[in-house]
Amino acid sequence: GESVGLHLPTLSVQEGDNSIINCAYSNSASDYFIWYKQESGKGPQFIIDIRSNMDKRQGQRVTVLLNKTVKHLSLQIAATQPGDSAVYFCAENMGNAGNMLTFGGGTRLMVKP
Amino acid sequence: ETGVTQSPTHLIKTRGQQVTLRCSSQSGHNTVSWYQQALGQGPQFIFQYYREEENGRGNFPPRFSGLQFPNYSSELNVNALELDDSALYLCASSLAGQINSPLHFGNGTRLTVT
Repeated sequence: GESVGLHLPTLSVQEGDNSIINCAYSNSASDYFIWYKQESGKGPQFIIDIRSNMDKRQGQRVTVLLNKTVKHLSLQIAATQPGDSAVYFCAENMGNAGNMLTFGGGTRLMVKP
Repeated sequence: ETGVTQSPTHLIKTRGQQVTLRCSSQSGHNTVSWYQQALGQGPQFIFQYYREEENGRGNFPPRFSGLQFPNYSSELNVNALELDDSALYLCASSLAGQINSPLHFGNGTRLTVT
């Protein structure tokens, strides 16, 4: 079936560098995408979202890029900090009005001091 | 603003037993969703409740059921527990009618079935 997946299971970056986490999706009907951050022992925390009529959206230190042609989503974190260490999930709305999400498998981001 | 709260935080049950997990939605939110997260995996959608009725369901058997109350809080019930039901159960709330209202998650209930 159609699903959301991630290219890399683990990403290790130096503190202060920029991080890029990638995600591929296959459901062409999806119109809404979200990135979540999950720290150990906690629930997923909303980071940023983007609708399919946009290519780019920026937040505080984070940018989400959407390439509908190749069905690719990425999360860029500027000046990565130790507090950014967590598992990051992309999720897509399964083409419905009820915000029922399909999550990818997650990428672990490790920030080295 | 009060966030999503779940109880209990941890629970141990025996195979074949029944369990009830509870969730209080974030203030101002009227829709509650439940997700199952197995260790090392992403959350999987179980079902969603709006106006006290189930309005969407993922690929989970009928022994997974739920309720939503007039104050928008919710319960997840699982009957005839199996070992594979061991997971983190996440509750999320959102506001229906608001285009793409992001889900806000609680910290989950860790269920262990032995």
